[in-house]
Amino acid sequence: GAVVSQHPSWVICKSGTSVKIECRSLDFQATTMFWYRQFPKQSLMLMATSNEGSKATYEQGVEKDKFLINHASLTLSTLTVTSAHPEDSSFYICARGENNSPLHFGNGTRLTVT
Amino acid sequence: GQQVMQIPQYQHVQEGEDFTTYCNSSTTLSNIQWYKQRPGGHPVFLIQLVKSGEVKKQKRLTFQFGEAKKNSSLHITATQTTDVGTYFCAGHGNMLTFGGGTRLMVKP
Repeated sequence: GAVVSQHPSWVICKSGTSVKIECRSLDFQATTMFWYRQFPKQSLMLMATSNEGSKATYEQGVEKDKFLINHASLTLSTLTVTSAHPEDSSFYICARGENNSPLHFGNGTRLTVT
Repeated sequence: GQQVMQIPQYQHVQEGEDFTTYCNSSTTLSNIQWYKQRPGGHPVFLIQLVKSGEVKKQKRLTFQFGEAKKNSSLHITATQTTDVGTYFCAGHGNMLTFGGGTRLMVKP
C-alpha cells in the first residue's frame, strides 16, 4: 500500500488565491521530504527539501515566499502556493527518502490556476 | 553542476518489440535509480544499482550500471501494452538528479 499520502489529488483555484498541499508519511517518521514540480511531458524538478523542525532548503530559482513549506511534524509536510497565477499550474509531487535510499512519491497534486 | 541526460526522449514500439533507454551522467555516481511513471500517475521506484558493472533483472526488465558508474541502461524484452509510461533514471552524486525521461508508447 501507499507509504506517502498526498492531498488533494487535484485542485482548481482562481488567480491570486493560495493553495495548500499536504504530504503525509504513513509508515515512517520522515525528517526529510522533497517537493517536486513536473510540467506536462517533462521531468521532475526539485523545488525544495523540507526539513522537520527547521527551514526548508530551496533550489535555485524557486521563490521561498511564494512556495511556503512547513514540516512541523515527522509525518507531515505542507506546501502552500501563495497568490497563485496561471503559470503556477503544474503537477506537484512530494517524496520521502532518507540518505541515498530510493524515493517514495505521493500521488501528486494537479494544480490548475484559472 | 551534476547533469543527467536520458535518451531517447520518446519511443514508439510495436507490442513484442524490445526497448532500451540510456542514461548518462556528467559526474561519477554513487548509485543510480530507475522509476516508472504511468500516464496520469506518479513515479514508482523500480530498482537501484550501486556497484560498478552491476546488472539486475526484473522479469522482462534488465538494468545495467556502467563500469565507470556514469551511465546506465534499462532494456525491456518483448514489450507489452502494460509497459507504457515514462521511465526516469535518477543519478545520485552529490545530490539526486533526474534524467529527462523516456516516454514509451506500445502499439498493440
